[in-house]
Amino acid sequence: KQEVTQIPAALSVPEGENLVLNCSFTDSAIYNLQWFRQDPGKGLTSLLLIQSSQREQTSGRLNASLDKSSGRSTLYIAASQPGDSATYLCAAEAAGNKLTFGGGTRVLVKP
Amino acid sequence: EAQVTQNPRYLITVTGKKLTVTCSQNMNHEYMSWYRQDPGLGLRQIYYSMNVEVTDKGDVPEGYKVSRKEKRNFPLILESPSPNQTSLYFCASSHAGLTGETQYFGPGTRLLVL
Repeated sequence: KQEVTQIPAALSVPEGENLVLNCSFTDSAIYNLQWFRQDPGKGLTSLLLIQSSQREQTSGRLNASLDKSSGRSTLYIAASQPGDSATYLCAAEAAGNKLTFGGGTRVLVKP
Repeated sequence: EAQVTQNPRYLITVTGKKLTVTCSQNMNHEYMSWYRQDPGLGLRQIYYSMNVEVTDKGDVPEGYKVSRKEKRNFPLILESPSPNQTSLYFCASSHAGLTGETQYFGPGTRLLVL
């Protein structure tokens, strides 16, 4: 059974600092690895999707890497802003569209 | 606008009173799924559907029912709600079998069972 872990559970940084969020998964037989953002009381917004054959994906200040062999993905957010404060969730997708989520990293960017 | 809608957004009910949470998507997606989110436990899949009339259990299906009579709708039914079903519920949808496409999530339904 797939297990997804995110460390740390919470992170507080001053504005302008780069953010590094970690995600690990136990079963490397995944189709893709997805990163989502969740604001308090809101739904999930997709940030990046890395297919199993890819090593990384970039969107603006966001960059996500994937190392299937070691069961790890990292989300980098460059030059953090207070608006980046949210909970970030990673999810590993397996056959049948099944997503297994990590517990999330709660990020606070202080002005 | 492509979206997944859920109703109601907030619901307070009492133990044993049947309720239905609706989910609808306008993207012609084959795959739809329900999750619940609880502090310390994260998001867990309740039920999913690969297409009309095709549904299957997720990781925590006990106490829930679903149906998929139309492609766009995937209601979640709690026949006899109990306090341990107090949670934040999310519906999601995507095209089935496409590994390069993300899932779209609804805004969530916060349920309190007294």
